[in-house]
Amino acid sequence: DTAVSQTPKYLVTQMGNDKSIKCEQNLGHDTMYWYKQDSKKFLKIMFSYNNKELIINETVPNRFSPKSPDKAHLNLHINSLELGDSAVYFCASSQETTSTDTQYFGPGTRLTVL
Amino acid sequence: AQSVTQLGSHVSVSEGALVLLRCNYSSSVPPYLFWYVQYPNQGLQLLLKYTSAATLVKGINGFEAEFKKSETSFHLTKPSAHMSDAAEYFCAVSDLSNDYKLSFGAGTTVTVRA
Repeated sequence: DTAVSQTPKYLVTQMGNDKSIKCEQNLGHDTMYWYKQDSKKFLKIMFSYNNKELIINETVPNRFSPKSPDKAHLNLHINSLELGDSAVYFCASSQETTSTDTQYFGPGTRLTVL
Repeated sequence: AQSVTQLGSHVSVSEGALVLLRCNYSSSVPPYLFWYVQYPNQGLQLLLKYTSAATLVKGINGFEAEFKKSETSFHLTKPSAHMSDAAEYFCAVSDLSNDYKLSFGAGTTVTVRA
């Protein structure tokens, strides 16, 4: 009964390719997030959706496009992959967007761009 | 804008010894503070959070943290380390000034010696 799941777990690809990472949560939460964790383990939020609507869009290249087909899913599509996109990408969810809501994280997708 | 500083990127403790991880925050408005743990190759899991109620917060796995406004600190402690506590620990802050987005510290790696 995985609460927040991501696929794939590992993704190795060439520069210039387009790839997608999928995220699903079965917690009934309204809000989902994408975070990027770099090689120094620094975590930074990229996007947040609430009930399928984009509410947070940090300074992320427009090669990154999140898509939320329903409130249980938030996928991340990346065009024209670059070496600097190599990182671990975490999906998370919370009941709401309030300050005290606990965010539940997925296991991460390790993206390696060669 | 809020930020978090974790003092010490690596902490090594003996099994049974006190674990102390330091976190200082900067926030212009009342903050909400969190400690997350990341075990190897896993996502982040909430240990505890401060939400302006009691200043001493107890979390899972025997961890606790104390909010000290005068010192702008939220240090994490555990009286007796266990081998299973070896992990990466992240302090995070959110507040109204940043639309309650979580801002993470750089993380502290804890190793436990037998």
